Amino acid sequence: GAVVSQHPSWVICKSGTSVKIECRSLDFQATTMFWYRQFPKQSLMLMATSNEGSKATYEQGVEKDKFLINHASLTLSTLTVTSAHPEDSSFYICSARDLLALGANTEAFFGQGTRLTVV
Amino acid sequence: DAKTTQPPSMDCAEGRAANLPCNHSTISGNEYVYWYRQIHSQGPQYIIHGLKNNETNEMASLIITEDRKSSTLILPHATLRDTAVYYCIVRPYTGGFKTIFGAGTRLFVKA
Repeated sequence: GAVVSQHPSWVICKSGTSVKIECRSLDFQATTMFWYRQFPKQSLMLMATSNEGSKATYEQGVEKDKFLINHASLTLSTLTVTSAHPEDSSFYICSARDLLALGANTEAFFGQGTRLTVV
Repeated sequence: DAKTTQPPSMDCAEGRAANLPCNHSTISGNEYVYWYRQIHSQGPQYIIHGLKNNETNEMASLIITEDRKSSTLILPHATLRDTAVYYCIVRPYTGGFKTIFGAGTRLFVKA
């Protein structure tokens, strides 16, 4: 099946620094990728929709200036957490759908997630 | 998006069938029912989906009621590795195909 890869799998950074997380679709092209955040014992919360070649669409309550999303190619989207603080510590997950797959009856593929710890 | 309701947790004995229910009473006619699961500290994994007919694959079976207001995911022979959070999701046919997760059911498979 299709594979979505995230890098890094985990990262520890100092408060005030920025962290970049990459999401790649390895064997398919993805016009659209999605970014989620998950706190311990909670469900996934959709943060934004990343569209190749255009600005990302953020969900209500998500700061676009803090969570910078770039989708420069059909196989790569990046999420940059700027000026990270301890409250940004979370599990970040990306998802992508195959460009050639049309309609709702197709699955979305998820990356393995990136655990961010801000100290 | 149609909302779903799932029990917060369930137990199942290893080797027995695990039946996970989901209510989606406000589902629209062109919305599909999807099931994903998330094993601890991993990304979600697709399991199965359906519109109105029952579906089966190598992982599970999906039973959708005739009125489509509820469904059941069946893991025929649960193993310890099936311990995970299972998410039932109804996804609209249009709208960017966003997948919105509810709280899910935490399934514990016990030896």
